[in-house]
Amino acid sequence: GAGVSQSPSNKVTEKGKDVELRCDPISGHTALYWYRQSLGQGLEFLIYFQGNSAPDKSGLPSDRFSAERTGGSVSTLTIQRTQQEDSAVYLCASSQDAPGYTFGSGTRLTVV
Amino acid sequence: GENVEQHPSTLSVQEGDSAVIKCTYSDSASNYFPWYKQELGKRPQLIIDIRSNVGEKKDQRIAVTLNKTAKHFSLHITETQPEDSAVYFCAASGYSTLTFGKGTMLLVSP
Repeated sequence: GAGVSQSPSNKVTEKGKDVELRCDPISGHTALYWYRQSLGQGLEFLIYFQGNSAPDKSGLPSDRFSAERTGGSVSTLTIQRTQQEDSAVYLCASSQDAPGYTFGSGTRLTVV
Repeated sequence: GENVEQHPSTLSVQEGDSAVIKCTYSDSASNYFPWYKQELGKRPQLIIDIRSNVGEKKDQRIAVTLNKTAKHFSLHITETQPEDSAVYFCAASGYSTLTFGKGTMLLVSP
């Protein structure tokens, strides 16, 4: 596609529920990143996929967070048993020649 | 790992003035330094970047300078306009992921 597409744009969920966030990167981009942006905060790295290599999961805050990337394209970030502190904007980015990122518009997650 | 510090956290200027935002980084292996602009409710967008083999880069009213010895880099915006109002993030990278500063909220008053 023309840009990085994320869905849903907004998600409200009850505490304890699982959520899945989707990212569709720019066609041909081999690298895909997930970041989290809390209100008034910077961009916190979560996970990085590069081609067929094992992902860099060093930024995932707990084992409730996981992500996968199927076929080297679409990625899904899953948060299990959501907590209120998980409320944030989750941003996906992709790049062809790491690390010049193009960001998606993000998913605003609200846990109530 | 890399650590990026950004100052100031907020910056208010009058239209037409210059604005300067400064960042420092910790990892001497970092060699790519982009700046992103994020308007309210929108995605961060790359506005300018610099690699470690260059000391300065300009694009119209914006410029970035890099001092590798001191491990700091700066964003300069001249002749500021109200539409420059946004949050600006600096970042640094070695080979893969970007580490971001916490952002500077720039407010340009008419």
